[in-house]
Amino acid sequence: AQSVTQPDIHITVSEGASLELRCNYSYGATPYLFWYVQSPGQGLQLLLKYFSGDTLVQGIKGFEAEFKRSQSSFNLRKPSVHWSDAAEYFCAVGPPQGGSEKLVFGKGTKLTVNP
Amino acid sequence: NAGVTQTPKFRVLKTGQSMTLLCAQDMNHEYMYWYRQDPGMGLRLIHYSVGEGTTAKGEVPDGYNVSRLKKQNFLLGLESAAPSQTSVYFCASRRTSGAETQYFGPGTRLLVL
Repeated sequence: AQSVTQPDIHITVSEGASLELRCNYSYGATPYLFWYVQSPGQGLQLLLKYFSGDTLVQGIKGFEAEFKRSQSSFNLRKPSVHWSDAAEYFCAVGPPQGGSEKLVFGKGTKLTVNP
Repeated sequence: NAGVTQTPKFRVLKTGQSMTLLCAQDMNHEYMYWYRQDPGMGLRLIHYSVGEGTTAKGEVPDGYNVSRLKKQNFLLGLESAAPSQTSVYFCASRRTSGAETQYFGPGTRLLVL
């Protein structure tokens, strides 16, 4: 069965520092890959997604993610974190072919940003 | 466009009571989903629909029922609420093709006493 692992439950960084959030997946084929962000009390917003082509994907708010097939990973990065990036981040995978497209979500990584 | 809206935003129920959560989307999306979010568990799919009049079970369907009588609405029902159903419920919708984004509503916070 497909699964998504986000190894870090909670990460704390200082404002201006770089950030990398890890995501590993288990899937029979290369899936579609997503990163969502959830601010406190809000719904989820898409940051970026990968489904084919260039393995380095640019998203909103200055985030990027790199798909590495050999490592089954899709890590999220940002060169310089802002206080407003404090939120919870979810990695998700979906099947590569058409159909009902149920996403499987990781359990999330909560990001705290220190001033 | 309002996107995906959910009603109500917050509700308190007593054990055994019933209620219906409403999800509405104005993007003409075919697919709609209901998730629950619990601390440390991420989002888990309850039920989903691939079109008007269709529903299917997700990962954690027990204790819930759904209906999709109109394309723009997806209802989640709890016939006899239990404390284990205390959670935040999110609705999402998307278009049909594979890489399409799921758009999420703001959530409904449910407390079952």
